[in-house]
Amino acid sequence: EAGVAQSPRYKIIEKRQSVAFWCNPISGHATLYWYQQILGQGPKLLIQFQNNGVVDDSQLPKDRFSAERLKGVDSTLKIQPAKLEDSAVYLCASRLQGNTEAFFGQGTRLTVV
Amino acid sequence: RKEVEQDPGPFNVPEGATVAFNCTYSNSASQSFFWYRQDCRKEPKLLMSVYSSGNEDGRFTAQLNRASQYISLLIRDSKLSDSATYLCVAGDSNYQLIWGAGTKLIIKP
Repeated sequence: EAGVAQSPRYKIIEKRQSVAFWCNPISGHATLYWYQQILGQGPKLLIQFQNNGVVDDSQLPKDRFSAERLKGVDSTLKIQPAKLEDSAVYLCASRLQGNTEAFFGQGTRLTVV
Repeated sequence: RKEVEQDPGPFNVPEGATVAFNCTYSNSASQSFFWYRQDCRKEPKLLMSVYSSGNEDGRFTAQLNRASQYISLLIRDSKLSDSATYLCVAGDSNYQLIWGAGTKLIIKP
């Protein structure tokens, strides 16, 4: 079974530039999460989708971050404009309905300079 | 606010020793619980789900105490390869997952 796919793996941009990340979850997984993880910390939820609807985006900095999952399958996360403090690993995870475990992609390591 | 609390460590443990981690969660309505392992510069991977009756997988044992709202992970006969960060997770009825910050474990020869 294919895992969660994310791209790109690495990205370096200058502050105030924009960047987009892509995630393709495991086939059939209705729930999709985007997390931000800073070194030494646990994953911080940015947004959670259930199919193509948003369940929780309370911690998404909406002035600069946006995310969509138009067809309920793959998803994109965008940052515009980026700040230095956005440097982190952005993890996408997906999950079947119910109380099953979440599976993660390898993440995108973003460096803002 | 829903929270999951863990001791960040690091736990420095000699090879072969037994080590235990605890994790507390604030949402009494949490329904699912997991331990994940995260290696340096890698994504988190499921170590084990935690069931009400407790569960064991080889050298690893997980326990859930709903009354006190904590879960535990016990690692017996620790190996060098067990060195990693262990993340505690609690899930609720909206499929939300609340993550702890992780406990760093270092196994020394």
